[in-house]
Amino acid sequence: GDSVTQMEGPVTLSEEAFLTINCTYTATGYPSLFWYVQYPGEGLQLLLKATKADDKGSNKGFEATYRKETTSFHLEKGSVQVSDSAVYFCALSANTGGFKTIFGAGTRLFVKA
Amino acid sequence: DTGVSQDPRHKITKRGQNVTFRCDPISEHNRLYWYRQTLGQGPEFLTYFQNEAQLEKSRLLSDRFSAERPKGSFSTLEIQRTEQGDSAMYLCASSSGQGGAYNSPLHFGNGTRLTVT
Repeated sequence: GDSVTQMEGPVTLSEEAFLTINCTYTATGYPSLFWYVQYPGEGLQLLLKATKADDKGSNKGFEATYRKETTSFHLEKGSVQVSDSAVYFCALSANTGGFKTIFGAGTRLFVKA
Repeated sequence: DTGVSQDPRHKITKRGQNVTFRCDPISEHNRLYWYRQTLGQGPEFLTYFQNEAQLEKSRLLSDRFSAERPKGSFSTLEIQRTEQGDSAMYLCASSSGQGGAYNSPLHFGNGTRLTVT
């Protein structure tokens, strides 16, 4: 079945460091790909999405490019802030998957001042 | 847009008791989802409604679990004869389906944390 694998955390960075969180997927159809974020004490919210190959999703300085050839959707940010400390979830939704969204296990990010 | 609301925020119950959770989606959203999340894991899909029709149920959803969305608005998730393994965060999400059902992002509530003692 469809699945998402993302790098284990926690990831600890200093402020202004470069961030990469790896995400790869397996899907039988043509999925849409998402990154969701969960800040401390808050619910999950959409960070960015890409709906077809080579699309780049971006929001709040974060970017991810839909790479069909490597089945990847890595999340990047050039300069992280303390306020970016959160849990990040990679997810997919496929037209053959009954419209449900499948999530990775999440990667916790700590950013130190 | 008042967001997705879930009630209660926390529920502590004894093993063997029944519990019911409520979800109020964003009003114009016709799709509603229930997920379960345990510590250190991502949300796991439980079930999905389009309007009042329950279109898909996960194999995770044993026959002790039942969900309804009677008028295509709010939804309830009931767990009968709770077990300690049911302890988790139960998340509700809704989506509009705009741009295609599988392109439309989910809007989550803050969840109901269930503890079974």
